[in-house]
Amino acid sequence: DTGVSQNPRHKITKRGQNVTFRCDPISEHNRLYWYRQTLGQGPEFLTYFQNEAQLEKSRLLSDRFSAERPKGSFSTLEIQRTEQGDSAMYLCASSFEYEQYFGPGTRLTVT
Amino acid sequence: RKEVEQDPGPFNVPEGATVAFNCTYSNSASQSFFWYRQDCRKEPKLLMSVYSSGNEDGRFTAQLNRASQYISLLIRDSKLSDSATYLCVVNSPLTGGGNKLTFGTGTQLKVEL
Repeated sequence: DTGVSQNPRHKITKRGQNVTFRCDPISEHNRLYWYRQTLGQGPEFLTYFQNEAQLEKSRLLSDRFSAERPKGSFSTLEIQRTEQGDSAMYLCASSFEYEQYFGPGTRLTVT
Repeated sequence: RKEVEQDPGPFNVPEGATVAFNCTYSNSASQSFFWYRQDCRKEPKLLMSVYSSGNEDGRFTAQLNRASQYISLLIRDSKLSDSATYLCVVNSPLTGGGNKLTFGTGTQLKVEL
C-alpha cells in the first residue's frame, strides 16, 4: 500500500500524559499537513511542512503541541500534558501539488 | 460567519434518486475548491475538484458560482454505496506553495432501498 500511513490508529491516554503520533506520507510528496477532526465537524488545519521546514502553524496549535519532520520524510505530532479537549481524530495528509491525500488518522481519547 | 457552510442533513433518498448538495464560502479570494467524501470513522477521500466551468465525473457533477460564492454537488442515479458524508472544501494558499484546506461540517447522505 503506497498511501499515507499513520500510527498508532488508536490511543487512549490519561489526562496529563504525553502522546506522540507518527505519519508516513506518500513517498514522492514533499508537502505534509496535520489536521484535527472532532465529532460532527470537518477537519481543521493544524500545521504544514514543506520538506523538513515547518512553514505554517494554526492558532489551534497551542504550545503543548509540537510537530517535526526531521528528514523531510515521516512526521511526528506530540501533545504534552494532554487534556480531555484534545480528544479527536488526528489526520495527516500529504501532497505534491493541490490535491491532498489523507491517512487513516489516529483517534485519541483522553480519559 | 463560518468560512464554509453546508446543510448538515441527513438527506435520506431512495436508490436511483438525484440529490444535490450546496455549500457557500465567505472568502471571495479563495481560488480552488473540492468535494471530499468521508465514510463513518474513516479518513476524507478526494471526490472531485470543482472548476468554474463545472465538471462531471460519471454520476457526479460539481459546479462553482464565484459571484455568489456557492458550490454544488449533484449525484445522479444514487447507489447504496454513495451513503457517506460529503465535505465541501475551500483551498487557501500557504507560505512556500502549500495549501490549507478549510472544510465545511459535511452533509450526510443516506441512500435507502
